[in-house]
Formats: sequence, structure tokens, C-alpha cells
Amino acid sequence: DAKTTQPTSMDCAEGRAANLPCNHSTISGNEYVYWYRQIHSQGPQYIIHGLKNNETNEMASLIITEDRKSSTLILPHATLRDTAVYYCIVRGLNSGGSNYKLTFGKGTLLTVNP
Amino acid sequence: DADVTQTPRNRITKTGKRIMLECSQTKGHDRMYWYRQDPGLGLRLIYYSFDVKDINKGEISDGYSVSRQAQAKFSLSLESAIPNQTALYFCATSLAGMDGYTFGSGTRLTVV
Repeated sequence: DAKTTQPTSMDCAEGRAANLPCNHSTISGNEYVYWYRQIHSQGPQYIIHGLKNNETNEMASLIITEDRKSSTLILPHATLRDTAVYYCIVRGLNSGGSNYKLTFGKGTLLTVNP
Repeated sequence: DADVTQTPRNRITKTGKRIMLECSQTKGHDRMYWYRQDPGLGLRLIYYSFDVKDINKGEISDGYSVSRQAQAKFSLSLESAIPNQTALYFCATSLAGMDGYTFGSGTRLTVV
């Protein structure tokens, strides 16, 4: 599986956009980028995923660079409840192989400050 | 009711005891997973199952076993618990394909 690199921690002011970067320079053509978050000891929550086009849903936007070697998760108006560890994960398309599984790293601790 | 329910939520057990953690889901998903999380670390996969007749080891299966009793139920057993199995355990489900996983709320297990 392609590895990801994320900053250990980030801060954001409440009401501002939170931009969380992720580097996945070894990503292969059939691998998707997924984002999950985990609010203190709760089960991880799926946020969004994408292959090469930018994606948006009710929670966030995902911007993937043209070369697909990095991406940014954007929370447009961060709230205190968005304080969590955010995981960027690369996952393969082939569900018959071993690369379909989610492999979690240490993620980025985003702290939203009042 | 939660889509993915784990029981118990918290458990303290003694070294050497057998313990079972249970997971049930109402998502109708065919795939189920057990993960373990230690303080300050990401989640590590213990076992996974694609359907009732399919069981596979994850990266840290030693000391654990699983049973897929039905499509909706996937239990994790520690045959003889040891202190370094103290951790937060999560069950997850998914459909085949590229959709996201749904996680349970976790079971906090302490082995003394």
C-alpha cells in the first residue's frame, strides 16, 4: 500500500477553514485517497474519498493534486466539534487483493480553538 | 439504535481468562473487521471477514480468534488474556467496493 505523510498536529480558529495536508507520493493509479476522523476514543468516522477529481460532500472537500501525489482535506467552517485526529489513507481498488484494506497511520490532531 | 453495536463497552478481566467481544450490525454489509488501538497509535487490523464462510488474519492476529456467526455478527475472542492486550477494540463493516467503513463505538478492554 502507498504510504501517507501527515503533520502530527494543527490548530485552527473556530469559524475558519481548516486545511489538512497529506502527502502520498507513491500512490498508484488504482488507489483512492480516503479521509477518516476520530473524535477522542470514539470509533473513526468516514469523511470523504476520491480518485483524481476534487470531491465535496456535506462534511468536507477533498482536493487532489493533478499528479495525485498529495491532497488536502478542507473543513470550510471549523467548529469546536471538529477537534479530532484526521487520518489520510490510501486504499486500492482491487477488492480481491490485500490492498483493499484500510491501514491507519497516526494521523493529524486538529485542534479547533475558540 | 447504532448501525454497528459493540458489547461490552468496557471490560476489566484477569490475566489468563477467556473473553469474547461481540459486534452486531444492521447495515446489511457483507464485510466485517476487528481493529485494535493502543494509546497514541493508529488502528491495527486483527481479523477480517468478507462473508460468513470467509475469515482472514490481519496484521496482529496472534492471541486472538474470531467467529462469524451470521452476516450481522462477528465476535472476537481472547482465549487467554494477557496485559498487553489491554487496548481499545473497534469493529467495522463495509460493502464490497470502495465505500467507506462504518465503525462501532469501541470496547475498552483492560487485562490486569
